[in-house]
Amino acid sequence: AQTVTQSQPEMSVQEAETVTLSCTYDTSESDYYLFWYKQPPSRQMILVIRQEAYKQQNATENRFSVNFQKAAKSFSLKISDSQLGDAAMYFCAYRSADGSGGSNYKLTFGKGTLLTVNP
Amino acid sequence: NAGVTQTPKFQVLKTGQSMTLQCAQDMNHEYMSWYRQDPGMGLRLIHYSVGAGITDQGEVPNGYNVSRSTTEDFPLRLLSAAPSQTSVYFCASRRQRDNSPLHFGNGTRLTVT
Repeated sequence: AQTVTQSQPEMSVQEAETVTLSCTYDTSESDYYLFWYKQPPSRQMILVIRQEAYKQQNATENRFSVNFQKAAKSFSLKISDSQLGDAAMYFCAYRSADGSGGSNYKLTFGKGTLLTVNP
Repeated sequence: NAGVTQTPKFQVLKTGQSMTLQCAQDMNHEYMSWYRQDPGMGLRLIHYSVGAGITDQGEVPNGYNVSRSTTEDFPLRLLSAAPSQTSVYFCASRRQRDNSPLHFGNGTRLTVT
C-alpha cells in the first residue's frame, strides 16, 4: 500500500519570504499523480498544484511550485513571496494511475503541515 | 456554479442515533467519495462510487452505508452512531479521466456524545 509522509507537522515563514514544505511517498508503481491541497481555517479543501509522474517538468502555479524527484520519491512544495492568506494546513496526496483493482480511486493523504505566516 | 454541496455543516448526535449526511454535485462527475478527517490522521477514504448504482468500500467503511441512485447525489448514512465516528466528513467528486483532481465539499463536523 502506498504511504505519504509529511515530516514537518508545523512550519512558519515571514511574510514575503519563501518556504518549502516536504513530502515523501512510498510506492512500487511507475505511473501516478501527486497533489498538494490547502486547508485554511474555513475547513475548505483547495487544490494548490498537481503533478503527473510521467512528466519530468516540475509543475508551477503562480507563487507555488513543486520539486518532484521521482527516484527519491519526493514531492516538495515551494511557496514564494508568502502572503498572510497562505496560512493553512497543507496536505500532500498520492493517487495511483493504475486502473486495475480500483487502486486509482483512492487518494492517499499525508498527515499535513500547518503553515503559519508571520507579518 | 455550486460545485460539491454538503449538508449539514454541523451535527451533534447521541450514541446509537442514526443520520444521513447529504452530498450533491452539479458538475456531472462520475466519481464521488466520502472521507473523514481526524486530528493527526490526514483524510481517510470511507466509501466511493464510480457511477450511479455502483459503490465500493474504502479504507475505513465500518459503521457507514452509502448508495448512489443518481449521478448527482451520494449520501452517507450512519446507522448507529458511535463516539469513534466523531470527525469532520468531506464529500468529494471528480471526472473519471486520470489526471482530474478531487473537488471537495465544505465538510460536516459531526460530534457523537
